[in-house]
Amino acid sequence: DIQMTQSPSTLSASVGDRVSITCRASQSISTWLAWYQQKPGKAPKLLIYGASSLQSGVPSRFSGSGSGTEFTLTIGSLQPDDVATYYCQQYNSLSNTFGQGTKLEIK
Amino acid sequence: QVQLVQSGAEVRKPGASVKVSCKASGFTFTNYVIHWVRQAPGQRLEWMGWINAGNGNTKYSQKFQGRVTITRDTSASTAYMDLNSLRSEDTAVYYCARDQEWLVMYYFDYWGQGTLVTVSS
Repeated sequence: DIQMTQSPSTLSASVGDRVSITCRASQSISTWLAWYQQKPGKAPKLLIYGASSLQSGVPSRFSGSGSGTEFTLTIGSLQPDDVATYYCQQYNSLSNTFGQGTKLEIK
Repeated sequence: QVQLVQSGAEVRKPGASVKVSCKASGFTFTNYVIHWVRQAPGQRLEWMGWINAGNGNTKYSQKFQGRVTITRDTSASTAYMDLNSLRSEDTAVYYCARDQEWLVMYYFDYWGQGTLVTVSS
């Protein structure tokens, strides 16, 4: 299985900050990568697919980049509603695996 | 609006089985593949398998092969996930999730609310 590793595991930032989360794949996955936001007690919400395509209805402050083995989710201006855990997911093989998650907090 | 509504929390003893349902509304059920993903406490999300709601074809993760069965009832627009030989490590929230129309892309645009399955003696 392709292993996905996110960094950092926890991130604390101030409202209005630009925030980035990194996801690394154990082998090349082209741009077969999605990002999800999960709030406590809720199901994950799709933010980004194809590494950089914004899902319909997701605020434009969220963006994704990268290809191959290294990917980044960026929040352009952090809002209080963005407090959540963020997961990357590769879907390169005829299966899929998730990262361990990055917990985002407000300072 | 698109909704996936799952059945309620379950408690089972080790060795038992559990069946979780996922009722779809707001879209044409048979045009989609429905996946099942679980999340053990404090752990990452883990894909279990999918069913093509149109033709009933299934694919399972190797980890769960032989223990999980995914079925659907098109008349009820409902998918089901049956997991047997339960052990304590199967304690988790189980989610159903929708793939892209007509495709199996393995990324999920709508999710059910989750069903907590607790395995305890």
